[in-house]
Amino acid sequence: QQQVKQSPQSLIVQKGGIPIINCAYENTAFDYFPWYQQFPGKGPALLIAIRPDVSEKKEGRFTISFNKSAKQFSLHIMDSQPGDSATYFCAASSFTGGGADGLTFGKGTHLIIQP
Amino acid sequence: NAGVTQTPKFQVLKTGQSMTLQCAQDMNHEYMSWYRQDPGMGLRLIHYSVGAGITDQGEVPNGYNVSRSTTEDFPLRLLSAAPSQTSVYFCASSAGPNTEAFFGQGTRLTVV
Repeated sequence: QQQVKQSPQSLIVQKGGIPIINCAYENTAFDYFPWYQQFPGKGPALLIAIRPDVSEKKEGRFTISFNKSAKQFSLHIMDSQPGDSATYFCAASSFTGGGADGLTFGKGTHLIIQP
Repeated sequence: NAGVTQTPKFQVLKTGQSMTLQCAQDMNHEYMSWYRQDPGMGLRLIHYSVGAGITDQGEVPNGYNVSRSTTEDFPLRLLSAAPSQTSVYFCASSAGPNTEAFFGQGTRLTVV
């Protein structure tokens, strides 16, 4: 059972456009929602993260929108640039009191920003 | 800062062989974990550890073994390699639950 569903699988946007990547989760115990960016041949790197007590978080050109009642969250990239071309993963985790059973990842979105 | 270091970067194994993927971090993080990445599947958790001497299974633990004797190191052992274990393996560490996870550069493993 896939606990974090991510869409779309791939996305092509013109430079300056606003790509939007969506994720939906099922486990209501999740309380941490990070987005990771991965370039070819590299490990994922944290881009931005949100906790469920806020509905939006901005860091530079990257914004997470969070809808707790719908169990959905999304990533928006403002003024997208060719250097933003990468694979993006949403993820979720829960703090289970004394332990941390890792991150549950979406399947990823391959984003291409065309010049 | 080295961060999370994985070795080797590439490895080819024959079916039935065993090997150990190494992972070391220099950030004094308590939490460490192993993921495998397959095309179209995202990253899936294999095993994780919340401190030296403490390990637990993730989503896809079969065929893998781990131990954590020090804070710095978290090796992943393949007991008897199978073609289904062909994948890219990532090690990650974090300071605690629900904090930034730092990933290594990955080990690309091919089992023939």
